[in-house]
Parts: sequence; structure tokens; C-alpha cells
Amino acid sequence: SQQGEEDPQALSIQEGENATMNCSYKTSINNLQWYRQNSGRGLVHLILIRSNEREKHSGRLRVTLDTSKKSSSLLITASRAADTASYFCATAPRDQGGSEKLVFGKGTKLTVNP
Amino acid sequence: DVKVTQSSRYLVKRTGEKVFLECVQDMDHENMFWYRQDPGLGLRLIYFSYDVKMKEKGDIPEGYSVSREKKERFSLILESASTNQTSMYLCASSSGGLGKNIQYFGAGTRLSVL
Repeated sequence: SQQGEEDPQALSIQEGENATMNCSYKTSINNLQWYRQNSGRGLVHLILIRSNEREKHSGRLRVTLDTSKKSSSLLITASRAADTASYFCATAPRDQGGSEKLVFGKGTKLTVNP
Repeated sequence: DVKVTQSSRYLVKRTGEKVFLECVQDMDHENMFWYRQDPGLGLRLIYFSYDVKMKEKGDIPEGYSVSREKKERFSLILESASTNQTSMYLCASSSGGLGKNIQYFGAGTRLSVL
């Protein structure tokens, strides 16, 4: 079942600009993760934020989590052409106990123009 | 680094054929997953395995079966391939447990059923 929904579905920006993607979900979670997928390839894990955390940074990535609104955002600063990819949020629903399973959204397709 | 290897990047099969998709991980992970990815539908979980010989149906198990005889290997079987099973298939693994549910993906198998 789909839980995470990313917004927007597609985003096109110029190199050097910041890119912001949003994710909304429906049920309580243990953690939320963001993944990246280059065209025709597998997904690569970017960052994990726990339900008791509000913000997390990793290099040019900044993730926020608002559990009261059941939403998260991924900010990529100073984007590069190499950031062109699809970005997915994935949630570990609390009612699934050990949280082995993740529920993925449909993704945001980011294009960074040189 | 975790490595998840899918046996084929591209596969073309005929309707009615029995198809095996193989996935091997080298990190002694407990959990392994098979997803299919279709445009506009995101990633959908087909089957999940949390231990050798243990499996659990995902959201769309119909028309598929799986086998996990060894910890490192998880096979997806299409008993009688149909054209609506044309898709990108992604295998993933994780060590499991809270905070350890990051999934590591293979490069994907693009299957065409003619």
C-alpha cells in the first residue's frame, strides 16, 4: 500500500539553485528515509531521519520531519547537473513492528539544467 | 560496501515461459525484498523474506513466487509469464530492526514479456 506521496511529481531547476521536495504520509512511523534513483538503475539510500528527530543534514542534503503534519522535506542545496535523478521517500510504519518493510512513494523527478 | 547483484540487467521472454530472476547479497542480511517498478505507480512490494525459507506476501504477489534456500540468495519466479508482467524488477536487502532498515538495492532487471 502506498503511504508516502512526494510533491511535486517533477521539478526542473538551474544548476546552483536549491531543490526542495516534499513527502506526506498517513500513519505513524518509526523512521523516514530518502532514496535516489538514477535513470534505469537501482535506488540508493541518502538519509534516514527517526521519528523523534526534526532535522538532519548530510553534505548538501537537509531533511526535515514534522510528525504532527505527517510530512517531510528534502532540500538539496547548490544543485548540480549530476543531481538529476528521481527521489523517493520511504516510511517504516510503526504498526509493522520490526519495521523491516518500507513503503515507498512514487517519487519526484528532478532535472538540473547546466 | 553492501553489494546486491541481480543476475540480468535486461531479459526478454515469451508469454507462458517460466522466468527466474536471481538476486544475491554479500552482507549477511536477514531481509530480502522483491519490488516491481512501473511508471506512475512507484515501487510495489511483491514478496519479502526475513530468513532462509521464510517469506511473506507483499502488495502484489499474484503471478509470482519466491525461493530463499540460502541466506544470500533470493529468487523471484514468474510461473507463467504474461505481458502485464513487463516491468523493472528491483531486489533489495536489509539487516533489519529499528534503525537498521536501510535497504540496499540491486541495479534492477528490466523484463519484457512478448
